[in-house]
Amino acid sequence: NAGVTQTPKFRILKIGQSMTLQCAQDMNHNYMYWYRQDPGMGLKLIYYSVGAGITDKGEVPNGYNVSRSTTEDFPLRLELAAPSQTSVYFCASSVGYGYTFGSGTRLTVV
Amino acid sequence: AQKITQTQPGMFVQEKEAVTLDCTYDTSDQSYGLFWYKQPSSGEMIFLIYQGSYDEQNATEGRYSLNFQKARKSANLVISASQLGDSAMYFCAMREGRTSYDKVIFGPGTSLSVIP
Repeated sequence: NAGVTQTPKFRILKIGQSMTLQCAQDMNHNYMYWYRQDPGMGLKLIYYSVGAGITDKGEVPNGYNVSRSTTEDFPLRLELAAPSQTSVYFCASSVGYGYTFGSGTRLTVV
Repeated sequence: AQKITQTQPGMFVQEKEAVTLDCTYDTSDQSYGLFWYKQPSSGEMIFLIYQGSYDEQNATEGRYSLNFQKARKSANLVISASQLGDSAMYFCAMREGRTSYDKVIFGPGTSLSVIP
């Protein structure tokens, strides 16, 4: 059972480039989330989804987009990358109160 | 307004001793949940313990217990018999409301170092 899988683990982007962070879960969880963690800080919610076809903004959605075409996948899209988006990105899924996190994607924008 | 406060940026504890990590929260909801997560230096987030606002007893999971004081709005994590592997960042988090999709809000974290 893989749980929540995030790819890539590391990425360096140039300012203005775009990329998609992939997230997949195999636990049939309806609820999925994207968080970012800045150095020395807690996690902040970017977007979340309560099921296929349904997404909503979290605390810090600007500069990001998401889609949820299947229960398994919840990709996060960065358009026009900026240095302020340098962070570690965590995807998570949940059923009930238990969250399962992916191992994170460390993104640097230079 | 900050909803989750962790006032201890860094803590040290002697191996085999107990340690308490503080967490206070702010909510007007009657139904909510409180979590603690561990983040070792490798970076993954590990769920430790959960306390529901209507749970009458304090949650326990092995060496972890949650000292829940509802009137004071505090949810302190107690780690008994500290081990070197307990050295990590610890995050307190809260979910407001009854339904699963309510967003979890994280505190800033406490860095725990266990000294041999």
